[in-house]
Amino acid sequence: DSGVTQTPKHLITATGQRVTLRCSPRSGDLSVYWYQQSLDQGLQFLIHYYNGEERAKGNILERFSAQQFPDLHSELNLSSLELGDSALYFCASSPTGSPVNIQYFGAGTRLSVL
Amino acid sequence: EDKVVQSPLSLVVHEGDTVTLNCSYEVTNFRSLLWYKQEKKAPTFLFMLTSSGIEKKSGRLSSILDKKELFSILNITATQTGDSAVYLCAVEGNSGYALNFGKGTSLLVTP
Repeated sequence: DSGVTQTPKHLITATGQRVTLRCSPRSGDLSVYWYQQSLDQGLQFLIHYYNGEERAKGNILERFSAQQFPDLHSELNLSSLELGDSALYFCASSPTGSPVNIQYFGAGTRLSVL
Repeated sequence: EDKVVQSPLSLVVHEGDTVTLNCSYEVTNFRSLLWYKQEKKAPTFLFMLTSSGIEKKSGRLSSILDKKELFSILNITATQTGDSAVYLCAVEGNSGYALNFGKGTSLLVTP
């Protein structure tokens, strides 16, 4: 168990809908990262938050947004869902103040858009 | 654009065999290379490498980095069925601590 908690484990929804994925980082970790894993693309970085502030953006669609709250949990919001958004969404957190960036991953949320 | 390429894409071996997984990369401002094992869902951390030529070991697994030739290898000796998984290589470069992942090597160890 990595200590990173993601809910829900599975999500089934229809095209055009909006969903929210939740992530609680390991105790004490200030950084949260979101990744998308699909069969053809592999694991792709979406966005990084550090202590409530957005630090970096990857290949995140405009229909997707995220935030990190004062208690350090993070939410990834996906809207106007399309079939192609079906994927595994992972959250990771990393230790604070360390020179090395080992990211610990949650178990993921499997999103199926029908 | 940063690139991480793993080979082979898949591998089937017998228990007891030794395997070598490869990872080559092109990254701006290289900081570190990480190996993860992904069995059913969450990638689990194996190694982080930052310096060339220093081997990291954990039991039957070992890894080494060559920063001049821009590659890393992950060795697994005396493989067991429990080693069956996808092994992911990731590089941290110039993108604000985000990890750039390869597509992984799927390893199947048969009894």
